[in-house]
Amino acid sequence: ETGVTQTPRHLVMGMTNKKSLKCEQHLGHNAMYWYKQSAKKPLELMFVYSLEERVENNSVPSRFSPECPNSSHLFLHLHTLQPEDSALYLCASSQAAREGGTQYFGPGTRLLVL
Amino acid sequence: KNEVEQSPQNLTAQEGEFITINCSYSVGISALHWLQQHPGGGIVSLFMLSSGKKKHGRLIATINIQEKHSSLHITASHPRDSAVYICAVIIETSGSRLTFGEGTQLTVNP
Repeated sequence: ETGVTQTPRHLVMGMTNKKSLKCEQHLGHNAMYWYKQSAKKPLELMFVYSLEERVENNSVPSRFSPECPNSSHLFLHLHTLQPEDSALYLCASSQAAREGGTQYFGPGTRLLVL
Repeated sequence: KNEVEQSPQNLTAQEGEFITINCSYSVGISALHWLQQHPGGGIVSLFMLSSGKKKHGRLIATINIQEKHSSLHITASHPRDSAVYICAVIIETSGSRLTFGEGTQLTVNP
């Protein structure tokens, strides 16, 4: 247990569906991250939030929409996804986004888009 | 070409063997992380290094900033060490953004 939880752990959705991934951290951190891990590719950073403000967006398609209502919760809203979006989506948190501290990862949501 | 390269991509060892995984990077960094990812996806941070050497139990991580190279060593390896080991760097100008290597799949057989 790293103190970062993600739900659901597995998700199958059609291309016309709308779903949301949820991440919660119990570590008192103020920075949260979304990563995508596709098969046979390195992890890719999608979004960074620091003190609930988005500080980095790595040119992610608009069909992925993040939301950070408070420093403990992070959502990734999904709509009209493509099969190539099937991947493991990992959430992480750290003490401060700008200081490069240790990031603590959640278990991930394995997403399959049909 | 990825800014972070790991070798080997796959490694199979017998229980008890000494294991080394290497990471080379091509940019200036402020820190380097070694992460462990078990089947099922969960990632655990093992070390964060900016210089020298760190040790935790049977794991040792070293970094040579001049040579832009880091190694992760596992002594007296055990089947439960089987996992993907990922090297990630924080590029100097990127704030907190981690740039990841492709990972090394380690299998330790009993």
